[in-house]
Amino acid sequence: SQQGEEDPQALSIQEGENATMNCSYKTSINNLQWYRQNSGRGLVHLILIRSNEREKHSGRLRVTLDTSKKSSSLLITASRAADTASYFCASITGGGNKLTFGTGTQLKVEL
Amino acid sequence: EPEVTQTPSHQVTQMGQEVILRCVPISNHLYFYWYRQILGQKVEFLVSFYNNEISEKSEIFDDQFSVERPDGSNFTLKIRSTKLEDSAMYFCASGTRGGGEQFFGPGTRLTVL
Repeated sequence: SQQGEEDPQALSIQEGENATMNCSYKTSINNLQWYRQNSGRGLVHLILIRSNEREKHSGRLRVTLDTSKKSSSLLITASRAADTASYFCASITGGGNKLTFGTGTQLKVEL
Repeated sequence: EPEVTQTPSHQVTQMGQEVILRCVPISNHLYFYWYRQILGQKVEFLVSFYNNEISEKSEIFDDQFSVERPDGSNFTLKIRSTKLEDSAMYFCASGTRGGGEQFFGPGTRLTVL
């Protein structure tokens, strides 16, 4: 298995609903970050959660981290059509600086 | 708001040719990175650069690849002899501290024919 696997691979919801995406990882992390990628575009940093944090909020985003289960979740509340994108978790491990990305969840928010 | 820029947005080249992908990181950032994303696959780390030297590189970053910060603003990735499998979206990123948030550019789509 690989560092950083998201589920579900694809998620389709109605506008106004909440969207939850999960990420699992294998090796211990320094921090875990979530990024958004609109189709064919660059990656936008959403939120960073450190290994000693359990929950973090930013606007409509809520991220949790469970280091005992080596998993994280991203919750987007009151979703909008503009939230349609791919969402990736990415981790920093050891003393390095590189991000190891997950496989991503494709979110589609329909009107 | 400051952002990372990349040029060109799309580069088409023949196999065996050299390409240089250019990036202008955010001005007060000290850490610089290149990643790539082959169509339909994960984003993969290539190399990180700090204090004018490579701090970490992946197995992908072999002798065909090199990076340079020729002046105070540009950060380049050179592929000496491109292969078909080098076709991908290449992303530059920068950050203020190691292991922190990284801010990505819009990418350069490289197509090797």
